[in-house]
This record gives sequence, structure tokens and C-alpha cells, in this order.
Amino acid sequence: GENVEQHPSTLSVQEGDSAVIKCTYSDSASNYFPWYKQELGKRPQLIIDIRSNVGEKKDQRIAVTLNKTAKHFSLHITETQPEDSAVYFCAASRGTYKYIFGTGTRLKVLA
Amino acid sequence: GAGVSQSPSNKVTEKGKDVELRCDPISGHTALYWYRQSLGQGLEFLIYFQGNSAPDKSGLPSDRFSAERTGGSVSTLTIQRTQQEDSAVYLCASSSGMTDTQYFGPGTRLTVL
Repeated sequence: GENVEQHPSTLSVQEGDSAVIKCTYSDSASNYFPWYKQELGKRPQLIIDIRSNVGEKKDQRIAVTLNKTAKHFSLHITETQPEDSAVYFCAASRGTYKYIFGTGTRLKVLA
Repeated sequence: GAGVSQSPSNKVTEKGKDVELRCDPISGHTALYWYRQSLGQGLEFLIYFQGNSAPDKSGLPSDRFSAERTGGSVSTLTIQRTQQEDSAVYLCASSSGMTDTQYFGPGTRLTVL
């Protein structure tokens, strides 16, 4: 069935360092890949997304890369700050359809 | 404008009771989704409504779970004869139906004693 694997499950980095989270999807028909940030007790918030016709997208300190052939995509956060600490979820979908979520990565940025 | 809202924010119930969870999507959004998030876990798809089409119920874990969407707007998720394993945060999301992005509500934290 459809599946999204996400690694690592936890990640600790020093403030100012970079963080990378990787996801692999199984459904080759997936064409939309959002990333959500969820702070404790809060709703998931979209931070960046990428569609299958693009290989990379950047928004300030956040970037996402997509390798359709290998069916994996990654989130890159540069110059991490304490407020980046949260749980990050990747997802894959076929456009306006259900998301298949990864299991989440708990990022801790150490001051 | 107003985002997705859900009520109640917290619900504590006894095993065997029925519960109803409500979701108000963003005005004009035709697509509505329900997900379940167990403690420390990812988000599990439950059900999807798109306009007037038949809902995709493929994620509902058992026949104790059902959902309705009235008038293409508000949705209610009903869990009958609740069990302790139903304890989780139930999240609703909506999208315009024209774009892929889903916007999430704050969730309802359900605790079954």
C-alpha cells in the first residue's frame, strides 16, 4: 500500500547548524509533497511544499529537494534557531487527495 | 480570514459512549479531510470529502467510525461505542479543491477512560 518513510525520528543540532530530514514514498503517482511543522499542542502548519515538476524549492532558510526517480524528498533547514524546534512531518499525495504522512521528526535546536 | 475550526477542543468520555466531533472548514473550501494523531505518532488518514462526490472512507478503522458533511460545509465525525484505543487527537483539514494545500484545524483531543 501507500507508505511514506521518514528519517531520522529525532534530530538534535547546535544553533546555527543545518538540519536535514529525509522521506521516501512508495506511490509513484504522488505529485505533491508538503512539509508541516507542528509545535507542541498546536496544529500542523505548512512550511514549504514542492510539486513533481520541480526538483528544488527554497524559501529563506528552508529548502526542499525532490528526486522522482528515487522517490525521495528532503527538507533542509540552514542556520537553525531555537524556534525551529518542533516536530516536522513530510507527506505525499496525488494532488487534491488524502495525504500520506511520514511518522515525523522531532528536531531540537540546542542553544 | 478565519481558519479551520474544530469543537470541542477537548473531550473526555467513558468507554462505550458515543462522541461527535465537529469541523468547520475554511469558507469556500470544497475538500475536507479527517486525520487521527495518536500520542507521539504521525497523522493517519480517516476520511475525505470532495464537493458532492461520495466520500473516500478508506481510512476509517472500524464501522464504529462514521462522518457526515452537511451542505458541503460543516462536518461531523462520530465514534460509536468508544474504546480506549480511540484516544487521540482528531484533526480536520480543508483545501480549496483547486490547489493541493491542506489547512489544519487545532484538533479535538479525545480521551476515552
